[in-house]
Amino acid sequence: QQKVQQSPESLIVPEGGMASLNCTSSDRNVDYFWWYRQHSGKSPKMLMSIFSNGEKEEGRFTVHLNKASLHTSLHIRDSQPSDSALYLCAASRGTNTGKLTFGDGTVLTVKP
Amino acid sequence: NSKVIQTPRYLVKGQGQKAKMRCIPEKGHPVVFWYQQNKNNEFKFLINFQNQEVLQQIDMTEKRFSAECPSNSPCSLEIQSSEAGDSALYLCASSLGLSNERLFFGHGTKLSVL
Repeated sequence: QQKVQQSPESLIVPEGGMASLNCTSSDRNVDYFWWYRQHSGKSPKMLMSIFSNGEKEEGRFTVHLNKASLHTSLHIRDSQPSDSALYLCAASRGTNTGKLTFGDGTVLTVKP
Repeated sequence: NSKVIQTPRYLVKGQGQKAKMRCIPEKGHPVVFWYQQNKNNEFKFLINFQNQEVLQQIDMTEKRFSAECPSNSPCSLEIQSSEAGDSALYLCASSLGLSNERLFFGHGTKLSVL
């Protein structure tokens, strides 16, 4: 039972373009969302996290969260070939296990 | 560079064989997780520990999989009798605590069951 859905499965954007990735949780008890990036053959590394309604910006990356719909999105402006990777969304609850539930990811390819 | 150390990087086993992989969490991190990432990038939570104690595990883990995090030794995940469907990247992660804490991942152990 998939509780974190990501879309699209894959995305191709030109260098310098904007990439927009989506993620929705079906678990109404989650209160924290995470975005991880995994380059091919590497370990996932956290990009950004968000728990408040609204948006958060760090450099070229912006994350939005709508807690009512449990939807988050990641936007990458001025995309670079080095941004090509698997982007994983995860959700967590403030429980006593610390577990993050991951989606299946979006494969982003930035074409030079 | 990842501070969560996983060994070996690659593991090749025949069906029915045991497969064992190890993980040293980042220093000072009491919580350790094991995830399985298959070739379709699907992430499956297997088990997690706080210090030596199991916090949560899935049914699959309770049958052929065993894991432990002994004091002063690496954590380990072992598959008693490997099956072809176990071929995947096994990722270990650690964190500082239990409430909405960031996970730090190792590079993983890529298991191939022939």
